[in-house]
Amino acid sequence: GENVEQHPSTLSVQEGDSAVIKCTYSDSASNYFPWYKQELGKRPQLIIDIRSNVGEKKDQRIAVTLNKTAKHFSLHITETQPEDSAVYFCAAPAQPLSGSARQLTFGSGTQLTVLP
Amino acid sequence: NAGVMQNPRHLVRRRGQEARLRCSPMKGHSHVYWYRQLPEEGLKFMVYLQKENIIDESGMPKERFSAEFPKEGPSILRIQQVVRGDSAAYFCASSPPDRGEQYFGPGTRLTVT
Repeated sequence: GENVEQHPSTLSVQEGDSAVIKCTYSDSASNYFPWYKQELGKRPQLIIDIRSNVGEKKDQRIAVTLNKTAKHFSLHITETQPEDSAVYFCAAPAQPLSGSARQLTFGSGTQLTVLP
Repeated sequence: NAGVMQNPRHLVRRRGQEARLRCSPMKGHSHVYWYRQLPEEGLKFMVYLQKENIIDESGMPKERFSAEFPKEGPSILRIQQVVRGDSAAYFCASSPPDRGEQYFGPGTRLTVT
């Protein structure tokens, strides 16, 4: 099955700085990589995802990059704000998507704290 | 379009009782997933269902836990004879049939006393 490792487990940055969270995966056939943000006591919220046919995707202040050769993908948050403080999870499908859905294997999470 | 709905949001059970957790997927979504999250830990897959079918239950304990997604009505995760170790947040997610993105419900926080 898929194994997803995520680091760092905690990350503190000053407001306005950038934050980078990295994940590695084990199954070279995996082709879909979402990122979720979870605030305390709330549901995980899908913030961005990338498929294996592209190397980078951006949405305003967040971006995700994918290196299929090295089997790792990263979340980049620029111009961080206090409301970005949350736990961030990466994930990969337990089996590759092929026209139908699959359950996700999640990383262990990164607690991001943005200091004002 | 309402999001994924779960109820109850909080559930307290004594050891040995049964817990029933309900999940209604987003409109148009036919795939439902249940995940468990222990305090300050990640999300662990339990079971994946489509209407009237269990697709993968490899993450669900074989005893005391069961899940269903009937033709009509919500998906139900049932935990019999609960123990303290079952205390956790249980999240349901749903996805459309032809895409992988999963959307989560607000979760049910189960406390076993």
